[in-house]
Amino acid sequence: LAKTTQPISMDSYEGQEVNITCSHNNIATNDYITWYQQFPSQGPRFIIQGYKTKVTNEVASLFIPADRKSSTLSLPRVSLSDTAVYYCLVVLTSGTYKYIFGTGTRLKVLA
Amino acid sequence: DGGITQSPKYLFRKEGQNVTLSCEQNLNHDAMYWYRQDPGQGLRLIYYSQIVNDFQKGDIAEGYSVSREKKESFPLTVTSAQKNPTAFYLCASSRPGGETQYFGPGTRLLVL
Repeated sequence: LAKTTQPISMDSYEGQEVNITCSHNNIATNDYITWYQQFPSQGPRFIIQGYKTKVTNEVASLFIPADRKSSTLSLPRVSLSDTAVYYCLVVLTSGTYKYIFGTGTRLKVLA
Repeated sequence: DGGITQSPKYLFRKEGQNVTLSCEQNLNHDAMYWYRQDPGQGLRLIYYSQIVNDFQKGDIAEGYSVSREKKESFPLTVTSAQKNPTAFYLCASSRPGGETQYFGPGTRLLVL
């Protein structure tokens, strides 16, 4: 059964690039990785999703290496408002679908 | 957010009481989900439904029940069998497969 591991917390300064890694073993070729942002007492908000190589949208990039044992969320030039908890979600698509959230990374952006 | 509503925002439960949390979506999504989040912790899946009149247990289904009579609605009942119900409950919906789930604002359940 796949497990997802994330660093518990990270600090960064405004304007820096932040990379948050999610380690996940035993995922298949078509299993998706999705990243969410959550502020206190709110529902998680979708950031980006992919299942291979690199995906980029207006707010982030997602890198998935060939071995698919990890994925990295990259936030360019963070601001104070990016202070939040970031979760990866792995969706296992073989047989019965399984939804596995990571334990979350608490990002604190400093001025 | 984004077409998913949860009510109430706060809910209080007395010992031995069943309570029902509401989740409605107008995104025309087939799949819906319930998660539990304890303070400082990640999300754990309680139940999910990929289609009307069908649902599956998640990782922590004991003490909870659900129904899916309508596509837009997926209520969660926290029964008296759930001995530690205090948590933040999140509902989500998605297209089939669930790779991209959209979450509601959550309901915080407290025990009196």
